[in-house]
Amino acid sequence: QVQLQQSGAELVKPGSSVKISCKASGYTFTSYDMHWIKQQPGNGLEWIGWIYPGNGNTKYNQKFNGKTTLTADKSSSTAYMQLSSLTSADSAVYFCAIPYRDSYAHWGQGVMVTVSS
Amino acid sequence: DTVLTQSPALAVSPGERVSISCRASEGVNSYVHWYQQKPGHQPKLLIYKASNLPSGVPARFSGSGSGTDFTLTIDPVEADDTATYFCQQSWNDPWTFGGGTKLELK
Repeated sequence: QVQLQQSGAELVKPGSSVKISCKASGYTFTSYDMHWIKQQPGNGLEWIGWIYPGNGNTKYNQKFNGKTTLTADKSSSTAYMQLSSLTSADSAVYFCAIPYRDSYAHWGQGVMVTVSS
Repeated sequence: DTVLTQSPALAVSPGERVSISCRASEGVNSYVHWYQQKPGHQPKLLIYKASNLPSGVPARFSGSGSGTDFTLTIDPVEADDTATYFCQQSWNDPWTFGGGTKLELK
């Protein structure tokens, strides 16, 4: 079955960067976009962007341009999201997810990123 | 961006029928999807493309609508349905989510 296993929680300092991962299994990693979604406490969900691991193509929500870099490693079926110049506004849970018929049928368990000095 | 508006909260009794609405600020065809999220968990897909039920989702859940107005219906509601329900559109760029409706059971 499809599984998306994300890395563990991160506590990071303001101004630093963090890279979180999403290891995929149970399907052909290079055939489906990997999307990333942000959820702040008490807030809704925001689409960050996607990467197509087959060729590395990416698309970002304009709001996250310059904040986020998406990459993928085909050899390990792992997608990555790097967040840079972190501020308290970046404290959130970040999910990876695979689209199915334009909806998200499969989600990772989420990674909580806390930005604090 | 397309704004999806949901009522913040609803309270119903087990066995009743509940309808959760999602209104889009512009047309989204039938490309609205519904998710259930319980605290500390990832969202779970309930309905895709307005009215389609994924495999494994109970038939108590149904969806309707097109254009700008959409509804998720749960009938009958069970105690385990306590959760927050989000709608999402994938017709316009960027894909957006509603703010969520918290369903509480009386």
